[in-house]
Amino acid sequence: QKEVEQDPGPLSVPEGAIVSLNCTYSNSAFQYFMWYRQYSRKGPELLMYTYSSGNKEDGRFTAQVDKSSKYISLFIRDSQPSDSATYLCASPMDSNYQLIWGAGTKLIIKP
Amino acid sequence: SAVISQKPSRDICQRGTSLTIQCQVDSQVTMMFWYRQQPGQSLTLIATANQGSEATYESGFVIDKFPISRPNLTFSTLTVSNLSPEDSSIYLCSAMTDSNQPQHFGDGTRLSIL
Repeated sequence: QKEVEQDPGPLSVPEGAIVSLNCTYSNSAFQYFMWYRQYSRKGPELLMYTYSSGNKEDGRFTAQVDKSSKYISLFIRDSQPSDSATYLCASPMDSNYQLIWGAGTKLIIKP
Repeated sequence: SAVISQKPSRDICQRGTSLTIQCQVDSQVTMMFWYRQQPGQSLTLIATANQGSEATYESGFVIDKFPISRPNLTFSTLTVSNLSPEDSSIYLCSAMTDSNQPQHFGDGTRLSIL
């Protein structure tokens, strides 16, 4: 079992829809969680960075962490074609800062 | 957040040659990392570039194949040696400004081997 599981998709939704992207993790020692967005031919770009359980909001993006069920989510409201990208979740292992990555979900927003 | 520049952005190399990739950060950072990413896949950590000491390599990656330099707090290089078609990939550099901050990435180097 991978330490961070993520459905690779692709996930295709119409413009304006609410998008839900999800990851599960197995290691209860994970404390921090990140969501990165990666456009084609670009490096990963940090979207959200959360520590505790609960929600963190930034514009149209909301990151949610449920440590009891080891489940993390990224919600995108009012999705736009420009949101089409691959979204990767990640968590650092212990104190050595090595990131454990999900497989990445390819998101397609249809105009 | 730190701005990370990688050069070259892409290259096509002959088998048996080497390619050195440069990573420049616009501010001093504590840690720099090198990753490999196959198209459509997630990232695999190659090594952590330590300033003033040898890089720390992950399982499956060795210094002879992937020598790394980090001469100061803003710059690192990764060399991919004795290139073979299996080395065709995207190589990414990342950096952390300090231990409480997340990693930020450059746009990567796309390497193809003829």
